[in-house]
Amino acid sequence: QQQVKQSPQSLIVQKGGISIINCAYENTAFDYFPWYQQFPGKGPALLIAIRPDVSEKKEGRFTISFNKSAKQFSLHIMDSQPGDSATYFCAASSPFGNEKLTFGTGTRLTIIP
Amino acid sequence: GAGVSQSPSNKVTEKGKDVELRCDPISGHTALYWYRQSLGQGLEFLIYFQGNSAPDKSGLPSDRFSAERTGGSVSTLTIQRTQQEDSAVYLCASRRDGVGGTQYFGPGTRLTVL
Repeated sequence: QQQVKQSPQSLIVQKGGISIINCAYENTAFDYFPWYQQFPGKGPALLIAIRPDVSEKKEGRFTISFNKSAKQFSLHIMDSQPGDSATYFCAASSPFGNEKLTFGTGTRLTIIP
Repeated sequence: GAGVSQSPSNKVTEKGKDVELRCDPISGHTALYWYRQSLGQGLEFLIYFQGNSAPDKSGLPSDRFSAERTGGSVSTLTIQRTQQEDSAVYLCASRRDGVGGTQYFGPGTRLTVL
């Protein structure tokens, strides 16, 4: 049972463009929604996270948009750079589930010059 | 301070052998998680520790998998009688106590079962 669905599976964006990755969840008990960035051979690293009491959170070039009624959230990377090329995972957790993370299937992002 | 460390970074074993994977969490982090990352299954939860107790083992795929944590710090994930389908990257993450804290991941152990 896939509780967090992520799309697209892969994404190619030109340098300077906007990268957008989407996720949808099913479990309404989820109350914490982080995005992780993973480079080859490394563990995932937290990029940005949001709670459902706000609809948007911005940190530098990275923005999470959250739609509670639709049970959807997305990551926007503005002015995408080649160094942003990585795999991105959305995730969700619930305090009733020991805060364990349920991950999306990942998006391989490639930024081309 | 130091991040989460895991050892070994790579492990190649033969089918049927037992393996032990080690995780050293960030000092002071009481919560510890093991996840498995494989091509077909993505990142999936295995087990959660709070201190030395494991209140959630719901992700362990079979009774060949077990884990323990000692001194509220180091954790060991043991896989007995390894199978080829156990080949994956095993990731450990730790979190400070409290609700909604960030989980910090180690670099993982890549396990290959021949």
